[in-house]
Amino acid sequence: EDKVVQSPLSLVVHEGDTVTLNCSYEVTNFRSLLWYKQEKKAPTFLFMLTSSGIEKKSGRLSSILDKKELSSILNITATQTGDSAIYLCAGAGWGAQKLVFGQGTRLTINP
Amino acid sequence: NAGVTQTPKFQVLKTGQSMTLQCAQDMNHEYMSWYRQDPGMGLRLIHYSVGAGITDQGEVPNGYNVSRSTTEDFPLRLLSAAPSQTSVYFCASSYSPGQGLGEQYFGPGTRLTVT
Repeated sequence: EDKVVQSPLSLVVHEGDTVTLNCSYEVTNFRSLLWYKQEKKAPTFLFMLTSSGIEKKSGRLSSILDKKELSSILNITATQTGDSAIYLCAGAGWGAQKLVFGQGTRLTINP
Repeated sequence: NAGVTQTPKFQVLKTGQSMTLQCAQDMNHEYMSWYRQDPGMGLRLIHYSVGAGITDQGEVPNGYNVSRSTTEDFPLRLLSAAPSQTSVYFCASSYSPGQGLGEQYFGPGTRLTVT
C-alpha cells in the first residue's frame, strides 16, 4: 500500500527563521510528489516534482526531490507570519488515479 | 470561473440521518474526488471519479456513496450518519489522470458534525 509520511508534525519558529519540512514516500511506480499549503480553508497547490523536474523554487519557497532517498524537502527562508499554515505533501504513481497524502506539518511562525 | 464550489459550508446531523454534500466545478475537469480531513490525519480519499458515469472507491469509502451523472457535479451522500463521520470534507478536481495526476483544485470545504 502506498504511503507518505511527513515530519515534523508540528513546528514553531520565529519570524525570519529558515525552516525545512520533510516528506518521505513509498509510492508504486512513482511519478510525482506534490506540495500544498493549507491556511484556514482549502489546500492550495505549491509545487509538483517529478523525475524530470526535481527542484522547484518560488520566491522564498523551494523544494527538492531526492529519488534515491524517496523523499522531498520544502524549504522556506526568511519566514513571515503569513507562512503559518499546514503544509501537505502527496505522492502519485504512473497511471494512478489517486493522490496519497501525508499527515501534514503544522507550521507556526511567531512574530 | 467559480472554480470548485461546495455546499453547505456547515452542517449538523443527528446519528442516523442522511444528507448529500454538493460539489460542482466549472473548469471542465474530468477528474473529481472527495476527501475527508481529521486532525493529524492529513487528507484521506473517500471516492473519486475519472469521468461522467465512472466512480471508484478511495481509502475510506464505507458509509458514503457517490455518483457522477455530469462532468460538472459530484455529490457525496452520507447514508446513515455516524459520529465517526464528523470531519471536514473537501471536494477537488483536476485534469484527466491519464495526463498524470497533478495540481488538484480544492473547494472551500464542508464542516460536518454528527451528534
